[in-house]
Amino acid sequence: NAGVTQTPKFQVLKTGQSMTLQCAQDMNHNSMYWYRQDPGMGLRLIYYSASEGTTDKGEVPNGYNVSRLNKREFSLRLESAAPSQTSVYFCASIIRQGNTEAFFGQGTRLTVV
Amino acid sequence: AQSVTQLDSQVPVFEEAPVELRCNYSSSVSVYLFWYVQYPNQGLQLLLKYLSGSTLVESINGFEAEFNKSQTSFHLRKPSVHISDTAEYFCAVTLNAGNNRKLIWGLGTSLAVNP
Repeated sequence: NAGVTQTPKFQVLKTGQSMTLQCAQDMNHNSMYWYRQDPGMGLRLIYYSASEGTTDKGEVPNGYNVSRLNKREFSLRLESAAPSQTSVYFCASIIRQGNTEAFFGQGTRLTVV
Repeated sequence: AQSVTQLDSQVPVFEEAPVELRCNYSSSVSVYLFWYVQYPNQGLQLLLKYLSGSTLVESINGFEAEFNKSQTSFHLRKPSVHISDTAEYFCAVTLNAGNNRKLIWGLGTSLAVNP
């Protein structure tokens, strides 16, 4: 079972470059999330998609955009990368919000120089 | 607004010693409670959860957590830790009502088990 797959695993960008982080889940989950994880700050929600066709901002959306391409895929785009976006990014999915388990990808370690 | 507080950012402990990782939450409505574990260089995975019923819940690897409604706590315990328990542990809640049921996360507790 693949679960939640994120690509790439590692990336180095120069300031101002753009890139898209890909996330796909094969569990037929309705809700998908993008988080960033920084030392001492826990997980911070960037954007989420409660269901196919909807996206909403989380705590720290500035500098990011998302696309829920279909039920399986939820991508995160950095249009003009900044050093402050150096972080580990996690994609997660849940069958539905509430009392169910969240499944996480392995993470993308992004460095912006 | 809901919030989750993990009272210790780092917990060092010797192998085979007991450990408690503390979690308190704030919410005006009932919640579901979760503990997730993150091993080095991996994503998070569910360790255990409280939805309803018995206030003591257990995981398959010896951890347990007790929901205490009066103290709004969900502390995680293990009577004897192993080196392999070294990881980051996150407490999370989600509301048991309404339309906004996103997970609210604590900042995490880093458990370091030393030989």
